[in-house]
Amino acid sequence: GQNIDQPTEMTATEGAIVQINCTYQTSGFNGLFWYQQHAGEAPTFLSYNVLDGLEEKGRFSSFLSRSKGYSYLLLKELQMKDSASYLCAAKDSNYQLIWGAGTKLIIKP
Amino acid sequence: TAGITQAPTSQILAAGRSMTLRCTQDMRHNAMYWYRQDLGLGLRLIHYSNTAGTTGKGEVPDGYSVSRANTDDFPLTLASAVPSQTSVYFCASSDSASGGYNEQFFGPGTRLTVL
Repeated sequence: GQNIDQPTEMTATEGAIVQINCTYQTSGFNGLFWYQQHAGEAPTFLSYNVLDGLEEKGRFSSFLSRSKGYSYLLLKELQMKDSASYLCAAKDSNYQLIWGAGTKLIIKP
Repeated sequence: TAGITQAPTSQILAAGRSMTLRCTQDMRHNAMYWYRQDLGLGLRLIHYSNTAGTTGKGEVPDGYSVSRANTDDFPLTLASAVPSQTSVYFCASSDSASGGYNEQFFGPGTRLTVL
């Protein structure tokens, strides 16, 4: 079956760095997405990886290893506004997104 | 640009009643999707449409129906609501159904409670 695993909750300190891991098993693979979702709001797109390696976008970076079925989202210089859920999703051979349950990130001052 | 709008924002519905959740996008996207989001679970695809005039079943289609008469609108209908359909419903769209990089844009969601 198809499956996405990510930690349920993580806590980090303002100004620090946090890494949110995601492992995936899908029928075929057409890319890995990360979305941010603040409480009570819609998910918004953060990043997309289809090739192995690191993609950097400001304070956020995303890494992919296709051979390991693994990705992580790295958030640097954490700010209180980064408190949100982070959703990992893999696109399968039918181009459908398979979603993880999300990682709730709590930022403490 | 409005992007994607959904209506209503929230609704309390008696079990057995029918209801249509509305979704409209103004980005001329070909593909549209309906998801439900429940605590502890990932977004689950209910139905999708790759282009106007076509629809397909997702992971959890039972109890729901959709139509795609034009590019902009993608309503979701619950014919006879049951309490297990209590959820937050998100409509999304993307420029294309195929291809790797086609981010999905989400509407603000409809919070539905079935009693």
